Amino acid sequence: RKEVEQDPGPFNVPEGATVAFNCTYSNSASQSFFWYRQDCRKEPKLLMSVYSSGNEDGRFTAQLNRASQYISLLIRDSKLSDSATYLCVVNSSGGSYIPTFGRGTSLIVHP
Amino acid sequence: NAGVMQNPRHLVRRRGQEARLRCSPMKGHSHVYWYRQLPEEGLKFMVYLQKENIIDESGMPKERFSAEFPKEGPSILRIQQVVRGDSAAYFCASSLGLAGVRGDTQYFGPGTRLTVL
Repeated sequence: RKEVEQDPGPFNVPEGATVAFNCTYSNSASQSFFWYRQDCRKEPKLLMSVYSSGNEDGRFTAQLNRASQYISLLIRDSKLSDSATYLCVVNSSGGSYIPTFGRGTSLIVHP
Repeated sequence: NAGVMQNPRHLVRRRGQEARLRCSPMKGHSHVYWYRQLPEEGLKFMVYLQKENIIDESGMPKERFSAEFPKEGPSILRIQQVVRGDSAAYFCASSLGLAGVRGDTQYFGPGTRLTVL
């Protein structure tokens, strides 16, 4: 099983739709979690951190489920500009200093 | 506060030549990570460095690839005798502290796109 797994998609949704992505991780000792956004041929940019209690930033909501070892990202009222690849990042303790990136989930928002 | 800077943004090399990629971390950041991304693929970790030290190079190919982060100046990723399979986007990221253990955020540079002819 891969350390961090994401459905590559693409998720094709109309403007205004609500869409959710999940990301599963295999290391139960994982400590911190992030969602990054990557536009085509650009660098990844931090979208939001994922806290144990869940957190919301405008139209974006991130949740963590430690028992089932997954994090989720919910996007409400999708905009055309939300079209991008969303990368899940998991950091683990126990000697590993390297954040592990998922392969990403592609989102396409159409008019 | 300038972000992470990488140069060159685009680099074209012929097979057998050397490629040197530079990364200047954000001001105050002493942790640098190099990643490689092939077309339609995810980010693959290559090496993690602090000033004058390689902390983890488990993702680095054993031959032809090397990295350094000197006391002064940018971090350098060096690829000797490039082959077509080295063509990829190479991203550098920096963080204030240990991104893995402390969960410090990584900030990415714009990347260097290497094309090997």
